[in-house]
Amino acid sequence: DTAVSQTPKYLVTQMGNDKSIKCEQNLGHDTMYWYKQDSKKFLKIMFSYNNKELIINETVPNRFSPKSPDKAHLNLHINSLELGDSAVYFCASSQDLRGWDTQYFGPGTRLTVL
Amino acid sequence: SQQGEEDPQALSIQEGENATMNCSYKTSINNLQWYRQNSGRGLVHLILIRSNEREKHSGRLRVTLDTSKKSSSLLITASRAADTASYFCATPEAGGFKTIFGAGTRLFVKA
Repeated sequence: DTAVSQTPKYLVTQMGNDKSIKCEQNLGHDTMYWYKQDSKKFLKIMFSYNNKELIINETVPNRFSPKSPDKAHLNLHINSLELGDSAVYFCASSQDLRGWDTQYFGPGTRLTVL
Repeated sequence: SQQGEEDPQALSIQEGENATMNCSYKTSINNLQWYRQNSGRGLVHLILIRSNEREKHSGRLRVTLDTSKKSSSLLITASRAADTASYFCATPEAGGFKTIFGAGTRLFVKA
């Protein structure tokens, strides 16, 4: 009965590979997010979707492509992985698409690029 | 610089002591939230305080908000080892859709 789940929890891969992270929420929320947390714990928004529509698209390399097949799922595909992509990626959801709403976070995916 | 900046960056206290963390922000807000992140986990929402509120309590947590100074504080009373975590304040982007998280305060409670 996990509210926001992500898979995989750990991802270790070589530079240049392509990988995907999946996220699902069962809270019935309309909005989902991807955040990147670096080694200094700084949390940076990457994307948000509201009812499958892209709302926030931060300045991230176009190697990162989100996909929302329905409002309960938001996946993140990363092409041509680089060393600097190593980080923890968090999925989150909220009911409202505005920044004042409470967000519910998944457990994170720790990506290590070798 | 980032909206929602916490200080101190790190805090180490003994079990039973109180821990106070501060957050400053730059623009007008309608609410401010505090989140906790345990090591290796996602962020968990702790408390939300609206701009027309000055103080809010939840169990051992006490949050204050001073909109004139654009600052908030989180007080954890009678801390426990289980309170060891990073604490983040979060504010909505003015006129936008983003939630801006500060860099966090790392709290270590020694048993």
